[in-house]
Amino acid sequence: QVQLVQSGAEVQKPGASVKLSCKASGYSFTTTYLHWLRQAPGQGLEWIGLIDPRSGATMYAQNFQGRVTVTRDTSTSTVYMDLSSLRSEDMAIYYCARRLCRNSGCVFGGDAFDIWGPGAMVTVSS
Amino acid sequence: QSVLTQPSSVSGAPGQRVTISCTGSSSNIGAGFDVHWYRQLPGTAPKLLISVNTNRPSGVPDRFSGSKSGTSASLAITGLQAEDEADYYCQSYDNSLSAYVFGTGTKVAVL
Repeated sequence: QVQLVQSGAEVQKPGASVKLSCKASGYSFTTTYLHWLRQAPGQGLEWIGLIDPRSGATMYAQNFQGRVTVTRDTSTSTVYMDLSSLRSEDMAIYYCARRLCRNSGCVFGGDAFDIWGPGAMVTVSS
Repeated sequence: QSVLTQPSSVSGAPGQRVTISCTGSSSNIGAGFDVHWYRQLPGTAPKLLISVNTNRPSGVPDRFSGSKSGTSASLAITGLQAEDEADYYCQSYDNSLSAYVFGTGTKVAVL
């Protein structure tokens, strides 16, 4: 079945970096974008960025520009998110999610997220 | 920061109908971007409930329906059941922020 499997929980110190992985299976990896999102404890959802697994092209939310890098490995159908200069506000559950487009095709800004990974908790603590 | 506003909570008795509003602006919903809805049970990842304003993915009961008009969208749940207790989020795209954005979230309680 279609699924996204994420790496495990991480504990990092302020100022450090964290690299999370998301392995896709059950569908053709390069056919649709993968997104990264996060949810701080007791808070709502926040979009971080996306990657086109076919080309490697990325797009990031302005809040994360300069601190986040999303990459992919097509040989293992895995995407990675590297977040640097961690601060306490980065403590959250990080999700990867697959893009779903309209039946008529993908349109800019029209992505829904139809398959989600289980999430990975990132704790930032000294 | 959430640019889509939802009521913090709604409640209803079993069998009743509840609606959740999602209010945006001319840079997101009003600009024509699609609205999608998610349900999130405690401790789990969100699940897609409604896509492209009104479409139910396979497996989602027809008790759930979505609509969109102007700068707002709504999710309706009819025949409310205990299992519908969850957090619900709307989602769209904002071209001023150049980002996908979510609503503030609504907790549904079944009385």
